[in-house]
Amino acid sequence: AQSVAQPEDQVNVAEGNPLTVKCTYSVSGNPYLFWYVQYPNRGLQFLLKYITGDNLVKGSYGFEAEFNKSQTSFHLKKPSALVSDSALYFCAVRVGPDTGFQKLVFGTGTRLLVSP
Amino acid sequence: NAGVMQNPRHLVRRRGQEARLRCSPMKGHSHVYWYRQLPEEGLKFMVYLQKENIIDESGMPKERFSAEFPKEGPSILRIQQVVRGDSAAYFCASSQGTGVPYEQYFGPGTRLTVT
Repeated sequence: AQSVAQPEDQVNVAEGNPLTVKCTYSVSGNPYLFWYVQYPNRGLQFLLKYITGDNLVKGSYGFEAEFNKSQTSFHLKKPSALVSDSALYFCAVRVGPDTGFQKLVFGTGTRLLVSP
Repeated sequence: NAGVMQNPRHLVRRRGQEARLRCSPMKGHSHVYWYRQLPEEGLKFMVYLQKENIIDESGMPKERFSAEFPKEGPSILRIQQVVRGDSAAYFCASSQGTGVPYEQYFGPGTRLTVT
Protein backbone atom coordinates (compact mmCIF):
# COMPACT_ATOMS: atom_id res chain seq x y z
CA ALA A 1 0.00 0.00 0.00
CA GLN A 2 1.11 3.54 -0.69
CA SER A 3 2.03 5.29 2.53
CA VAL A 4 4.23 7.80 4.27
CA ALA A 5 5.68 7.57 7.74
CA GLN A 6 6.65 10.34 10.10
CA PRO A 7 8.76 8.67 12.77
CA GLU A 8 8.78 11.59 15.22
CA ASP A 9 5.68 12.70 17.09
CA GLN A 10 7.43 15.91 18.14
CA VAL A 11 10.54 17.85 17.25
CA ASN A 12 11.97 20.50 19.55
CA VAL A 13 14.39 23.11 18.29
CA ALA A 14 15.66 26.46 19.51
CA GLU A 15 14.91 29.57 17.50
CA GLY A 16 17.65 30.29 15.00
CA ASN A 17 18.77 26.68 14.77
CA PRO A 18 18.20 24.52 11.71
CA LEU A 19 15.25 22.16 11.79
CA THR A 20 14.48 18.85 10.14
CA VAL A 21 11.16 17.03 10.14
CA LYS A 22 11.47 13.50 8.82
CA CYS A 23 9.30 11.64 6.34
CA THR A 24 9.81 8.34 4.58
CA TYR A 25 7.62 6.94 1.86
CA SER A 26 6.55 3.60 0.47
CA VAL A 27 5.23 4.03 -3.06
CA SER A 28 5.12 1.91 -6.16
CA GLY A 29 5.75 4.00 -9.22
CA ASN A 30 6.56 7.71 -9.22
CA PRO A 31 6.17 9.33 -5.82
CA TYR A 32 4.31 12.63 -5.67
CA LEU A 33 5.15 13.98 -2.24
CA PHE A 34 3.85 16.95 -0.30
CA TRP A 35 4.33 18.81 2.93
CA TYR A 36 1.49 20.66 4.63
CA VAL A 37 1.41 22.71 7.82
CA GLN A 38 -1.52 23.01 10.22
CA TYR A 39 -1.73 25.80 12.76
CA PRO A 40 -4.07 25.37 15.75
CA ASN A 41 -7.73 25.28 14.74
CA ARG A 42 -6.85 26.02 11.14
CA GLY A 43 -6.91 24.09 7.90
CA LEU A 44 -3.93 22.72 6.07
CA GLN A 45 -1.63 25.03 4.24
CA PHE A 46 0.46 23.77 1.37
CA LEU A 47 4.21 24.18 1.86
CA LEU A 48 5.84 22.39 -1.05
CA LYS A 49 5.73 19.39 -3.33
CA TYR A 50 7.98 17.04 -5.25
CA ILE A 51 6.72 15.81 -8.59
CA THR A 52 9.89 15.41 -10.63
CA GLY A 53 13.13 17.22 -11.30
CA ASP A 54 15.52 18.65 -8.74
CA ASN A 55 15.80 16.69 -5.54
CA LEU A 56 15.86 19.87 -3.47
CA VAL A 57 12.47 21.51 -3.48
CA LYS A 58 11.96 25.04 -2.18
CA GLY A 59 8.63 26.05 -0.72
CA SER A 60 6.80 28.65 1.30
CA TYR A 61 8.08 30.46 4.41
CA GLY A 62 11.71 29.47 3.80
CA PHE A 63 11.09 25.73 3.98
CA GLU A 64 12.69 23.22 1.67
CA ALA A 65 12.64 19.47 1.33
CA GLU A 66 15.11 16.98 -0.02
CA PHE A 67 13.89 14.03 -2.04
CA ASN A 68 16.17 11.02 -1.61
CA LYS A 69 15.21 8.07 -3.76
CA SER A 70 17.76 5.62 -2.35
CA GLN A 71 16.60 6.29 1.21
CA THR A 72 12.94 6.76 0.21
CA SER A 73 12.86 9.94 2.24
CA PHE A 74 11.47 13.43 1.84
CA HIS A 75 12.63 15.36 4.90
CA LEU A 76 11.47 18.90 5.51
CA LYS A 77 14.16 21.42 6.43
CA LYS A 78 14.66 25.04 7.30
CA PRO A 79 18.04 26.66 7.93
CA SER A 80 16.89 28.89 10.78
CA ALA A 81 13.75 28.15 12.78
CA LEU A 82 11.31 30.80 13.97
CA VAL A 83 9.00 30.59 16.98
CA SER A 84 6.14 31.16 14.55
CA ASP A 85 7.05 27.91 12.77
CA SER A 86 5.61 25.99 15.74
CA ALA A 87 2.79 23.94 14.27
CA LEU A 88 1.77 20.46 13.14
CA TYR A 89 3.46 19.27 9.96
CA PHE A 90 2.10 16.58 7.68
CA CYS A 91 3.86 14.68 4.97
CA ALA A 92 1.60 13.25 2.26
CA VAL A 93 1.81 11.21 -0.89
CA ARG A 94 -0.64 11.46 -3.74
CA VAL A 95 -1.76 8.09 -5.02
CA GLY A 96 -3.64 7.18 -8.15
CA PRO A 97 -3.09 7.21 -11.90
CA ASP A 98 -1.25 10.19 -13.35
CA THR A 99 -4.23 11.25 -15.41
CA GLY A 100 -7.01 10.16 -13.11
CA PHE A 101 -8.32 10.56 -9.62
CA GLN A 102 -5.63 11.00 -7.03
CA LYS A 103 -6.12 11.13 -3.29
CA LEU A 104 -3.73 12.28 -0.63
CA VAL A 105 -2.47 9.79 1.93
CA PHE A 106 -1.16 11.58 4.99
CA GLY A 107 1.34 10.69 7.66
CA THR A 108 0.40 10.95 11.30
CA GLY A 109 1.96 14.36 11.69
CA THR A 110 4.92 15.80 13.59
CA ARG A 111 4.49 18.60 16.07
CA LEU A 112 7.26 21.16 15.80
CA LEU A 113 8.00 23.28 18.85
CA VAL A 114 10.42 26.15 18.43
CA SER A 115 11.54 27.68 21.68
CA PRO A 116 12.64 31.32 21.98
CA ASN B 1 -10.32 34.79 -5.26
CA ALA B 2 -11.84 33.29 -2.14
CA GLY B 3 -10.45 30.00 -0.96
CA VAL B 4 -12.34 26.87 -0.03
CA MET B 5 -15.14 27.76 2.36
CA GLN B 6 -16.53 25.45 4.98
CA ASN B 7 -19.36 26.00 7.40
CA PRO B 8 -20.05 25.78 10.13
CA ARG B 9 -16.57 25.98 11.61
CA HIS B 10 -17.73 24.33 14.80
CA LEU B 11 -20.72 22.05 15.21
CA VAL B 12 -22.01 20.43 18.37
CA ARG B 13 -24.51 17.60 18.13
CA ARG B 14 -26.01 15.23 20.64
CA ARG B 15 -25.80 11.52 20.00
CA GLY B 16 -28.46 10.45 17.53
CA GLN B 17 -28.78 13.83 15.81
CA GLU B 18 -27.81 14.60 12.25
CA ALA B 19 -24.80 16.66 11.22
CA ARG B 20 -24.60 18.54 7.93
CA LEU B 21 -21.26 19.95 6.86
CA ARG B 22 -21.01 22.28 3.89
CA CYS B 23 -18.15 22.98 1.54
CA SER B 24 -17.95 25.59 -1.20
CA PRO B 25 -14.99 24.92 -3.49
CA MET B 26 -12.74 27.57 -4.89
CA LYS B 27 -14.09 29.43 -7.89
CA GLY B 28 -13.54 27.39 -11.03
CA HIS B 29 -13.04 24.14 -9.14
CA SER B 30 -15.42 21.30 -9.85
CA HIS B 31 -13.68 18.54 -7.89
CA VAL B 32 -14.27 18.16 -4.15
CA TYR B 33 -12.63 15.86 -1.63
CA TRP B 34 -13.58 15.23 1.99
CA TYR B 35 -11.04 14.16 4.61
CA ARG B 36 -11.49 13.36 8.29
CA GLN B 37 -8.97 14.05 11.02
CA LEU B 38 -9.54 12.15 14.23
CA PRO B 39 -7.89 13.54 17.37
CA GLU B 40 -4.11 13.14 17.32
CA GLU B 41 -4.20 11.51 13.87
CA GLY B 42 -3.49 12.50 10.32
CA LEU B 43 -6.13 13.21 7.73
CA LYS B 44 -7.83 10.27 6.08
CA PHE B 45 -9.55 10.40 2.71
CA MET B 46 -13.29 9.84 2.75
CA VAL B 47 -14.85 10.68 -0.60
CA TYR B 48 -14.20 12.38 -3.93
CA LEU B 49 -16.98 14.07 -5.88
CA GLN B 50 -17.45 15.94 -9.09
CA LYS B 51 -20.58 17.90 -9.85
CA GLU B 52 -23.56 15.59 -9.30
CA ASN B 53 -21.36 12.48 -9.15
CA ILE B 54 -19.60 10.48 -6.47
CA ILE B 55 -16.38 9.25 -8.05
CA ASP B 56 -14.70 7.45 -5.18
CA GLU B 57 -16.13 6.81 -1.72
CA SER B 58 -13.68 4.15 -0.64
CA GLY B 59 -12.95 5.97 2.61
CA MET B 60 -16.52 6.56 3.68
CA PRO B 61 -18.00 4.50 6.51
CA LYS B 62 -20.63 2.21 5.05
CA GLU B 63 -23.44 3.41 7.26
CA ARG B 64 -24.75 6.81 8.37
CA PHE B 65 -22.40 8.83 6.14
CA SER B 66 -23.33 10.29 2.77
CA ALA B 67 -22.03 13.04 0.52
CA GLU B 68 -23.34 15.01 -2.39
CA PHE B 69 -22.21 17.78 -4.70
CA PRO B 70 -25.25 19.12 -6.51
CA LYS B 71 -25.23 21.05 -9.74
CA GLU B 72 -25.90 24.23 -7.81
CA GLY B 73 -24.69 24.94 -4.30
CA PRO B 74 -22.08 23.55 -1.96
CA SER B 75 -21.00 19.99 -1.37
CA ILE B 76 -22.65 18.46 1.69
CA LEU B 77 -21.28 15.78 3.98
CA ARG B 78 -24.13 14.33 6.00
CA ILE B 79 -23.77 12.18 9.09
CA GLN B 80 -26.93 10.62 10.41
CA GLN B 81 -27.44 9.46 13.99
CA VAL B 82 -24.07 10.75 15.13
CA VAL B 83 -22.06 8.88 17.75
CA ARG B 84 -19.21 10.05 19.95
CA GLY B 85 -16.69 8.41 17.63
CA ASP B 86 -17.73 10.81 14.86
CA SER B 87 -16.16 13.69 16.78
CA ALA B 88 -13.40 14.90 14.51
CA ALA B 89 -12.32 17.68 12.20
CA TYR B 90 -13.71 17.32 8.70
CA PHE B 91 -11.78 19.00 5.93
CA CYS B 92 -12.87 19.70 2.43
CA ALA B 93 -10.46 20.25 -0.45
CA SER B 94 -11.08 21.26 -4.03
CA SER B 95 -9.16 21.12 -7.28
CA GLN B 96 -9.58 22.33 -10.82
CA GLY B 97 -9.02 18.88 -12.26
CA THR B 98 -7.57 15.49 -11.50
CA GLY B 99 -4.15 14.09 -12.11
CA VAL B 100 -0.63 15.20 -11.47
CA PRO B 101 -0.79 18.90 -12.36
CA TYR B 102 -3.71 19.76 -10.14
CA GLU B 103 -3.36 20.85 -6.54
CA GLN B 104 -5.88 20.19 -3.80
CA TYR B 105 -6.63 23.31 -1.78
CA PHE B 106 -7.99 22.81 1.72
CA GLY B 107 -10.67 24.65 3.62
CA PRO B 108 -10.42 25.57 7.32
CA GLY B 109 -12.38 22.53 8.41
CA THR B 110 -15.48 21.86 10.49
CA ARG B 111 -14.90 20.61 13.98
CA LEU B 112 -17.70 18.29 14.99
CA THR B 113 -18.22 17.51 18.64
CA VAL B 114 -20.74 14.86 19.62
CA THR B 115 -21.92 15.04 23.20
